[in-house]
Amino acid sequence: AQKITQTQPGMFVQEKEAVTLDCTYDTSDQSYGLFWYKQPSSGEMIFLIYQGSYDEQNATEGRYSLNFQKARKSANLVISASQLGDSAMYFCAMREDAHGSGNTGKLIFGQGTTLQVKP
Amino acid sequence: GAGVSQSPRYKVAKRGQDVALRCDPISGHVSLFWYQQALGQGPEFLTYFQNEAQLDKSGLPSDRFFAERPEGSVSTLKIQRTQQEDSAVYLCASSPIGVPPYVEAFFGQGTRLTVV
Repeated sequence: AQKITQTQPGMFVQEKEAVTLDCTYDTSDQSYGLFWYKQPSSGEMIFLIYQGSYDEQNATEGRYSLNFQKARKSANLVISASQLGDSAMYFCAMREDAHGSGNTGKLIFGQGTTLQVKP
Repeated sequence: GAGVSQSPRYKVAKRGQDVALRCDPISGHVSLFWYQQALGQGPEFLTYFQNEAQLDKSGLPSDRFFAERPEGSVSTLKIQRTQQEDSAVYLCASSPIGVPPYVEAFFGQGTRLTVV
């Protein structure tokens, strides 16, 4: 069964410093996608970054980068130059990409990591 | 509006009441998902629609939960005879393409349901 594990319930980082949020996953599929979402206190899920299982390069989006280590089944999020507005809950999620009957593209989420940025 | 809209934002129900939660996806989006997020947890999949067809309802926790999307746009999640364990945030997400691969789904702000 597919599973996402985020082992850090809470993290602190000083403003302007970089922080790494851990995510490991478990799947028997060869084709899958990995996502990171940010959930501020307002509740909406904001898409940050995506990595496909066949992508050879690590994904980057502005201050966000995904450290993808396929053999270790890890997909850690790195936030550079942290800002006060980065304080939120962060979720790692996985989605099957393989075509086949019953594949809806639903996301499997981890438990989340609460990040607090200190001024 | 430009994003996924959910209503109401907050709902308090007495145990045993029926509730209906509405999701307006982004116009033209084929796929629509419902997720349930308990306090302090990650969202968990409930059900999936492709246009008006409900292709996956494997995540619905009991037969008290029912979802529909009759015209392939607006969706309603109905919970009958609510119980305290139904208290959660219910998130709706939509995406423009019917089957993978696609990049991301767009989420609404959710409906926070509290059953008292």
